[in-house]
Amino acid sequence: QVHLVQSGAEVKKPGASVKVSCKASGYTFSSHYIYWVRQAPGQGLEWMGIINPGGGGTSYAPQYQDRFTMTRDTSTSTVYMEMSSLKSEDTAVYFCARVAVPGAPLSGCDLWGQGTLVTVSS
Amino acid sequence: EIVMTQSPATLSVSPGERATLSCRASQSISSDLAWYQQKAGQAPRLLIYGAFIRATGIPARFSGSGSGTEFTLTISSLQSEDSAVYYCQQFDTWPTFGGGTKVEIK
Repeated sequence: QVHLVQSGAEVKKPGASVKVSCKASGYTFSSHYIYWVRQAPGQGLEWMGIINPGGGGTSYAPQYQDRFTMTRDTSTSTVYMEMSSLKSEDTAVYFCARVAVPGAPLSGCDLWGQGTLVTVSS
Repeated sequence: EIVMTQSPATLSVSPGERATLSCRASQSISSDLAWYQQKAGQAPRLLIYGAFIRATGIPARFSGSGSGTEFTLTISSLQSEDSAVYYCQQFDTWPTFGGGTKVEIK
């Protein structure tokens, strides 16, 4: 079975950093792009960026270009989202999601992680 | 940035009736649109991509239509389990989501 399994919830103080992981299984890791999507409490979905698990290339939505870094480890089929200089407004659930069409960077996502709640509070 | 506007914000429909959800793009996106269903406390679920292609395992009562700037998700005969928030997402330049439509069972 195909899965994306994310790391557990985090509580951080303002100014700290956090790294959320997303481990893929059941399919060829390098074949599908991965999105990161953020959802603040009670709010809608916001696309953060995309990573190519094969080549490692990344692209970010403009508002996520400064403090957010996506990486991947092909040896463990894991992608990561690292967030630095955390602010209270970064409190949200962070999802990783697999683009459905192999090799296509822009399409719907058919496989989602369970979400990771990151809480930023002093 | 392409802005996606969904309407209505909330839709109340009786079981067995048709639900029609709209999504408008601020500029043409051809057919580069997906629809998702999200239930409380869960990750989104892909329903439609390419504006009208039903994702694997999605019931036939869900259908998508439209191109350019106007898109529609139709649930032909609403079931109780369809109560959720529905989002559209476009894929021109970088992906953006609409604000969502909450579907309630009347």
